[in-house]
Amino acid sequence: EIVLTQFPATLSLSPGERATLSCRASQNAYSYLAWYQQKPGQAPRLLIYDASNRATGIPARFSGSGSGTDFTLTISSLEPEDFAVYYCQQRSDWPNTFGQGTKLEIK
Amino acid sequence: EVQLVESGGDLVQPGDSLTLSCAASGFSFDSNWMSWVRQAPGKGLEWVANIKQDGSLTYYVDAVKGRFTISRDNAKNSLYLQMNSLRVEDTAIYYCARDLIKGASWGNWFDSWGQGTLVTVSS
Repeated sequence: EIVLTQFPATLSLSPGERATLSCRASQNAYSYLAWYQQKPGQAPRLLIYDASNRATGIPARFSGSGSGTDFTLTISSLEPEDFAVYYCQQRSDWPNTFGQGTKLEIK
Repeated sequence: EVQLVESGGDLVQPGDSLTLSCAASGFSFDSNWMSWVRQAPGKGLEWVANIKQDGSLTYYVDAVKGRFTISRDNAKNSLYLQMNSLRVEDTAIYYCARDLIKGASWGNWFDSWGQGTLVTVSS
């Protein structure tokens, strides 16, 4: 099973700033990595899949990069609605697994 | 618009059984693999099971294998999760999710989610 470790656990930033979230896989996940956003009381929303492809309707300020064991989600300029918890997920190895999440909070 | 609406969550005792349902609309239900994903209170996400378009293949995470059964009724655009021998550690919000990649199997991305239904297992 691939273990995904996300860091930092909490990221405190202001609107307009750039956010960089990281996800490290315990073994090679190739490009089989996705990112989700979850707001309190809501279901997760798919942002990025296959490491760098934006899902339908996702704004261009969200971008993903990386391959192998190190992956990054970048939000180029934070909007107020971007403050949420972000999860990475891999589908490279059985079973699908998720990271523990990074909470992006307003500074 | 894709809609997934779960129902059936409840407070049950350890060892009890429960069946969750998910009503799908806004897309061709029989064209997608479908999954259940759960989230324990205040915790992260855990993929539970998925099922192929025609119901001929199913996959389960080890923690529920032999206790949970995923099924679907394409004529009713519905997904189900039969949960037997429930344990305290099964307590979670259970989400119905649509698998993005039609040609994949157990490994997939989840591009549409329901609002979830809460299952609480407690004595």
